[in-house]
Order: sequence, then C-alpha cells, then structure tokens
Amino acid sequence: AQSVTQLDSQVPVFEEAPVELRCNYSSSVSVYLFWYVQYPNQGLQLLLKYLSGSTLVKGINGFEAEFNKSQTSFHLRKPSVHISDTAEYFCAVISPGGGNKLTFGTGTQLKVEL
Amino acid sequence: EAQVTQNPRYLITVTGKKLTVTCSQNMNHEYMSWYRQDPGLGLRQIYYSMNVEVTDKGDVPEGYKVSRKEKRNFPLILESPSPNQTSLYFCASSLLAGGPYEQYFGPGTRLTVT
Repeated sequence: AQSVTQLDSQVPVFEEAPVELRCNYSSSVSVYLFWYVQYPNQGLQLLLKYLSGSTLVKGINGFEAEFNKSQTSFHLRKPSVHISDTAEYFCAVISPGGGNKLTFGTGTQLKVEL
Repeated sequence: EAQVTQNPRYLITVTGKKLTVTCSQNMNHEYMSWYRQDPGLGLRQIYYSMNVEVTDKGDVPEGYKVSRKEKRNFPLILESPSPNQTSLYFCASSLLAGGPYEQYFGPGTRLTVT
C-alpha cells in the first residue's frame, strides 16, 4: 500500500527566512503528488500538485515543490516566509489506478515567528 | 460560489446515540469522500463514492455508513457512536473522469463522543 512520510511534525522558523518541508512517498511507480495547507479552524486548501512534466512545480502563496523520482521525494519550499504562512501542511499522493484516493502524510506544523 | 458545506460544524454527543453529518457540494462533482483527521495520524479515508449509488470503503470504515442518493449530497452516518470516533471529519469532492483532480474540502466537523 502507498504511504507518505513527513519526517518533521513541527518546523519553527523566523519570518522572512527560507523553509523546506520534507515529504517522501513509498511507491516506486508513477504517482501524482499534492501539497495541501490547513489554516487554523479551516478545511484543506490545495497549494500545488505534480501530475507530470516539469519536476519543479509552483503553487500559490509563493510556494514551490520539486519532484525527485530517484529519491521518491516531493519537498515543499518557500524562499521567505510570512507570519500568515503559519499553518499545518500535508503532503498527499494518488496512485494511478487507485481511483481518486488521496493518501496523506501525518502533517507538518509550520510556525512562523517574528 | 463553488464550495463543499458540512453540518454541523461542532457536535457533542453521547455513546450510542445515532447521528448524521451532512455534506453537500455545488460543483456537480462525481467523486465524494469522507476523511477523519486525528493528531499524529494525518487524514484517513473513511468512505468514498464515485457516483450516485456507488460507494466503497476507505481505510477506516468500521462504525460508519454512507449513502449517495443524489449527486450533490454524501451524508456520513454513525449508527452507534463510540468515544474512539471523537475526531475532526472532512468531506471532499472532485471531478473524476480523466483525472486526477484537486479535491475540494469542506470546513470540517468536530465531533466529540462522551
């Protein structure tokens, strides 16, 4: 079965500093990859997705992620974070032939401090 | 406005008292799904539906029921709630054919079973 690992449960960072949130997935076959963000007391919102093509994917709010097939990784990055980026971030995967089922990682809480 | 709505947003109930959490989407999506979110576990799929009258189990279906009588609605039913079903529940929907597509999430329902 497909699995997604987010190694960091919490990432504290100062405002305007860069950040990287790590995500690794288990499958050795082609997958579709997603990053979702959850602001306090809200549902999940799509940040970006990788379906095919360029391995560098740009999303909303200045975030980007790079698909690395050899390392089965899809790390999320932002060059300069803002207080408003404080939220929980989830990496998720859909396997081809798996319907539309999203398998989520356990989430990374990003806390941006002044 | 395109959206997924859930009701109620907060619910406190007692063990064994049947309850229903409603989910509705106005985007004419074929695919709908229920997830539960627990600390340290991320989101796990409970049930999903690929179209009207087509439902199937996700990863954690025990203790839950669903129905899909209309395309826009996908209620989650707990026939006899237990304290281990205390959780944050999300409904999501998406297009299906030719996907995968972004899943749109509702605002969540926080359920407490005492």
